[in-house]
Parts: sequence; structure tokens; C-alpha cells
Amino acid sequence: KQEVTQIPAALSVPEGENLVLNCSFTDSAIYNLQWFRQDPGKGLTSLLLIQSSQREQTSGRLNASLDKSSGRSTLYIAASQPGDSATYLCAVMDSSYKLIFGSGTRLLVRP
Amino acid sequence: DGGITQSPKYLFRKEGQNVTLSCEQNLNHDAMYWYRQDPGQGLRLIYYSQIVNDFQKGDIAEGYSVSREKKESFPLTVTSAQKNPTAFYLCASSIADATYGGYTFGSGTRLTVV
Repeated sequence: KQEVTQIPAALSVPEGENLVLNCSFTDSAIYNLQWFRQDPGKGLTSLLLIQSSQREQTSGRLNASLDKSSGRSTLYIAASQPGDSATYLCAVMDSSYKLIFGSGTRLLVRP
Repeated sequence: DGGITQSPKYLFRKEGQNVTLSCEQNLNHDAMYWYRQDPGQGLRLIYYSQIVNDFQKGDIAEGYSVSREKKESFPLTVTSAQKNPTAFYLCASSIADATYGGYTFGSGTRLTVV
């Protein structure tokens, strides 16, 4: 059974710092890996999607990498801002097109 | 604008009562999903439907029921058999082949047992 783990569970950094969020998964048979952002009490916003054949995707200050063979992904956020404060969720798409989620990393960027 | 609408935003349920959460999409998506989120946890799949009049159980289907009579609508009923229903419920939809992305989430319904 696919399991997704995110480390750390929470992170507090000063504004301007570069940071890395980690995601690991147990079964490498995935179609893709996605990173989502969730603000308190809200739904999910898709940030980046990496196909299983790809190694990384970039959008603005965000860069996500995927190492399928080792079951790992990282989300790199450059020059963090207070507006980046949110929970970041990693999810993998399994062979039946279902998304399996990690428990998230709660990020606080202090002004 | 296309999107997913969940209603109500907040819902209170008495012990032993069934309640229904609404999810409507105008994206012409074939697949729809219901997830449950508990504090500090990720999303767990309750039910999903990839085509009208068909749906499958997810990982935590006990105490829940769904219907998919129309492509646009996928209501979730939380029955009295669900012993711990207090949670945040999220509905999502996608195209049939979502491997290239295209998951859209609603804004959620927070259900509380009183």
C-alpha cells in the first residue's frame, strides 16, 4: 500500500530564507507527484506537477524535484515571504489515478 | 467561471442524524472525489466516481454513502454509522485521465457533531 511521508511536520523561518520541504513515498509505481498549497480552512491549490518521467518542475520561486527510484521529492522555495505561510501537501498519483496524500508541512515565514 | 462549489461551508450534526454535503462542478470533468481531512493530517479518500452512475469505495468509506446521478453532482451523505464525523471534507474533480494534472478542489465543508 502506498504511503506518503512529509518532513518536517512544521517549519518556522525568517523572511528571505531559502527552504526545502521533503516528501517520500513507498511505491515507485506512480503516474505523477504533485505539490499543493492549503491555506487555513480552505481548499487545495495546485503548485507543481511532476510526471513520473520528469526530474523537476519550476514555477517562479518554487522548484520541485523527483527521484522516483528512491521514492523522494523536494519542494524548494527561494527567498521566502510571509505570504508563503501555509500548509504544503505532497501527493502521488497511483496506478488507478487516485491521489495519495502526505500529512503536510505547516510553514510559517516570520516578517 | 468554471469550478467546484461545496455547500454548506459549515455544518452541524446531532448524534444519530444523517447529513448530506453538496458538491457541484461545471468543469465537465468525468471524475469526482471526496476526501476527509483531520487536524494536522493529510487527505484520506472516502469515495470516488469516474463515470456517472458508478462509484468506488476509497480507504475510509465506512459510515458514508454517495450517489452520482449527474455528471456535475457528487453528494456525500454522512450517516449515523460514522462514529467520528467531525472533520473537514473536500470534494475534487478531474478529467478521466488525470496523469497530466487537472485536479480541482472545492473550498471544503467543515462538519461538527454537536
